[in-house]
Amino acid sequence: DVKVTQSSRYLVKRTGEKVFLECVQDMDHENMFWYRQDPGLGLRLIYFSYDVKMKEKGDIPEGYSVSREKKERFSLILESASTNQTSMYLCASTMAPSGGQDTQYFGPGTRLTVL
Amino acid sequence: KNQVEQSPQSLIILEGKNCTLQCNYTVSPFSNLRWYKQDTGRGPVSLTIMTFSENTKSNGRYTATLDADTKQSSLHITASQLSDSASYICVVKGSNYQLIWGAGTKLIIKP
Repeated sequence: DVKVTQSSRYLVKRTGEKVFLECVQDMDHENMFWYRQDPGLGLRLIYFSYDVKMKEKGDIPEGYSVSREKKERFSLILESASTNQTSMYLCASTMAPSGGQDTQYFGPGTRLTVL
Repeated sequence: KNQVEQSPQSLIILEGKNCTLQCNYTVSPFSNLRWYKQDTGRGPVSLTIMTFSENTKSNGRYTATLDADTKQSSLHITASQLSDSASYICVVKGSNYQLIWGAGTKLIIKP
C-alpha cells in the first residue's frame, strides 16, 4: 500500500526559528512535492523535486528551501520562520514524469503554527 | 490567468441524498482534470482523473463528468453516507508539472 509520512502532525515554533519538515515515501517515486494549504485557497506549490538533489521552485518558494539527498526523503526548510508561514503543509509524491495520469499521493499534513 | 473555481463553497445535505459539486476552469493547455477528497486533518486522496477525451468516470458512488468545450466538470455523489463528509477538490493539470488547485467544496452529511 502506498505510504507517504510526514515527521510531525502538529508543530509550534517561534518567529525566527529554523524549522525542518520532513517527508518520506516508500513507493520509490521519482517526484516529490511540498504544498501549503490555507483556508479558502487551493493548494499552493512551494517546491518540487524530480530526482535526488534536483529541485524546482513552485509558485511560492520565498522563505523556503528544500533538500532531497535520498530518493525517498524530501525536506522543507523554513530558514527563519515568520507568522505568515503558519499553515498546513502537505507533502506529495508521484511516479510518472511530466505528462500522463500521474496521481499524487499525499501525506497526512503538518499543521505549523508560528508564534 | 489559469484558474479553477469550485461551487458551492460549502454544502450540507441529509444522509442518503445525492449531490453535485461543480468545477469551472480556465487552464490552458489542458492535460487532465482530477477530483480529490480530503478528510479533515488529512492529505487529499485521488478519486478520479479524466483526460480531454473522457466525458465521464466513476469510482463507486462518485461519478465525475467533464465537458472540455465549456471547461466544466462536476462530481456527483449518489446515496451519500456520513463518511462522505469532507472537502472535495478539483485540480486541473496544465503543462509539465503545473497543477492548478481549486479551493474545494466542503461537504457535510447530516444524519
